[in-house]
Amino acid sequence: RKEVEQDPGPFNVPEGATVAFNCTYSNSASQSFFWYRQDCRKEPKLLMSVYSSGNEDGRFTAQLNRASQYISLLIRDSKLSDSATYLCVARTLSNYQLIWGAGTKLIIKP
Amino acid sequence: GAVVSQHPSRVICKSGTSVKIECRSLDFQATTMFWYRQFPKQSLMLMATSNEGSKATYEQGVEKDKFLINHASLTLSTLTVTSAHPEDSSFYICSATLTSGGEETQYFGPGTRLLVL
Repeated sequence: RKEVEQDPGPFNVPEGATVAFNCTYSNSASQSFFWYRQDCRKEPKLLMSVYSSGNEDGRFTAQLNRASQYISLLIRDSKLSDSATYLCVARTLSNYQLIWGAGTKLIIKP
Repeated sequence: GAVVSQHPSRVICKSGTSVKIECRSLDFQATTMFWYRQFPKQSLMLMATSNEGSKATYEQGVEKDKFLINHASLTLSTLTVTSAHPEDSSFYICSATLTSGGEETQYFGPGTRLLVL
């Protein structure tokens, strides 16, 4: 079983719709979580950190469920520019290493 | 925001040659940098953790004699792919850790696309 699992997609979503992804992690010692986005043939870029109480940044909302060991990302009013692969990342406190999911591909269609 | 650069961005080389990739943190110091490799349609795979002034820590299955890492300063880490073969063709990405306000964030370089013929 992978340490961080994501549905690879692709999710094909019409522009303006709301879309949500989940990501599960297996290591209960994971303490910090992040969502990155990666455009085709580019490096990942930090989208947002995920806090225990949940957090929102504009159209993006991230939530953490420690009991069920998953994090989620909600995108409202999706834009064409949101098309990308979204990577879920977990990190334990014991080191600086990040454990990456394989990513969920999102395609926003006009 | 923090900026990490990589050089070169793209390299094509013959089988058997060595290729050096540089990773620099431009506006911050990073005691720890990471080297990743990503094959098409796959996730980032951590290759090694580069620590300034000490030996790198390699992940299981990554040959330290083939992928030489040097972290000589707080702003520069290099990865040398020695005796490259076609199966080493991949997207190599480095990241550097910035610690600010008690939070640690990793910033990525733009990546180096290596093609070994």
